[in-house]
Amino acid sequence: AQTVTQSQPEMSVQEAETVTLSCTYDTSESDYYLFWYKQPPSRQMILVIRQEAYKQQNATENRFSVNFQKAAKSFSLKISDSQLGDAAMYFCAYRSAGAQKLVFGQGTRLTINP
Amino acid sequence: DSGVTQTPKHLITATGQRVTLRCSPRSGDLSVYWYQQSLDQGLQFLIQYYNGEERAKGNILERFSAQQFPDLHSELNLSSLELGDSALYFCASSVGGTGFYEQYFGPGTRLTVT
Repeated sequence: AQTVTQSQPEMSVQEAETVTLSCTYDTSESDYYLFWYKQPPSRQMILVIRQEAYKQQNATENRFSVNFQKAAKSFSLKISDSQLGDAAMYFCAYRSAGAQKLVFGQGTRLTINP
Repeated sequence: DSGVTQTPKHLITATGQRVTLRCSPRSGDLSVYWYQQSLDQGLQFLIQYYNGEERAKGNILERFSAQQFPDLHSELNLSSLELGDSALYFCASSVGGTGFYEQYFGPGTRLTVT
């Protein structure tokens, strides 16, 4: 079974600085998708960024980018120019190409210090 | 706003009771997924329906059941409730059943079992 591990339960960063959240996963499959979701205090799950495993180029969405290392099974999220609104729980998630379910990590709580 | 609606937002009930959670997917989406978020288990996939048919099953208890109706809305039925069933229940929807489709999450239903 696939597993997703987020080794940092909590992280904090100063406003306007850069922070990187770590995620590793375990799978024997070669075709899959990876996601980062944000869960603010409202509890809504919001998709931040996604990556297809066959694409070598790292995905970027405005201030959010990933470092996808397929061989190392690592998928970290970098947030540049951190803003107060970025404060949330961040979940890394995996989905096999042939499956339906998302497998989530335990989450990292990100605090932004003004 | 993801376009996925869930009712009710909050539900408080007693042990042994039965409740029904409702989800309306985004317009045009055929797949509905149910996830449970609890402090103990984190975010877990429960079940998926595609165009009225069950497509995938996760860690769903036998006391729980779901269905998707012809109008594509879905209901999750939880019976013989236990204290440990207290959790946030998310519904998500996507256009397809497999492939690189985003899952859009609803705001969740917070269930408290007393």
